[in-house]
Amino acid sequence: QVQLVESGGGLVKPGGSLRLSCAASGFTFSDYYMSWVRQAPGKGLEWVGYIRSGGSAIYYADSVEGRFTISRDDAKNSLYLQMNSLRAEDSAVYYCVTFRGIMEYWGQGTLVTVSS
Amino acid sequence: EIVMTQSPATLSVSPGERATLSCTASQSVSSNYLAWYQQKPGQAPRLLIYSTSTRATGIPARFSGSGSGTEFTLTISSLQSEDFAVYYCQQYNHWPKLSFGGGTKVEIK
Repeated sequence: QVQLVESGGGLVKPGGSLRLSCAASGFTFSDYYMSWVRQAPGKGLEWVGYIRSGGSAIYYADSVEGRFTISRDDAKNSLYLQMNSLRAEDSAVYYCVTFRGIMEYWGQGTLVTVSS
Repeated sequence: EIVMTQSPATLSVSPGERATLSCTASQSVSSNYLAWYQQKPGQAPRLLIYSTSTRATGIPARFSGSGSGTEFTLTISSLQSEDFAVYYCQQYNHWPKLSFGGGTKVEIK
């Protein structure tokens, strides 16, 4: 069965950096577009960005453009989110999601807290 | 950017009753590109419906979707205890930018 396991969350100071990872299994990872979606505490869902299969194109929400970088390693069945210049408003649970326009399979998420 | 607006923010319904949730887009969305998700407390969201009206694998028939243009609806025909949750709509028509609605919480009346 499809499994997505995020890791790398934690507490970081404003202006700091963090790298999230997502380990995928149960499907042919290289065939899938992948996305990151986040959810601030008590708030709704916000699309962060996605990467095409093969990494040929990457798109970001305006709120993270220029600060966040999505990448993938198909040999390791892994998705990454490098987050720089973090702000308090980036505090959220970050979900790794398979993406075909629709968000079909979701990980359980990893919590990122940006606070001094 | 397409803004998705859901109403009401909270819907109080008794078990066994019908629930109707609305989602309005700021621009027209092709009916092929509108999805609904369910999220229970402490859990990740789950895909319910895509292409406006196609149920995802394993989703009961009491969930149905409809709509076109800028107005879309999720209907739960007879609410079960496990259906009390937050529901989100999402458009994926206007790539590469995607957007979710703010959510509707369905609570027990």
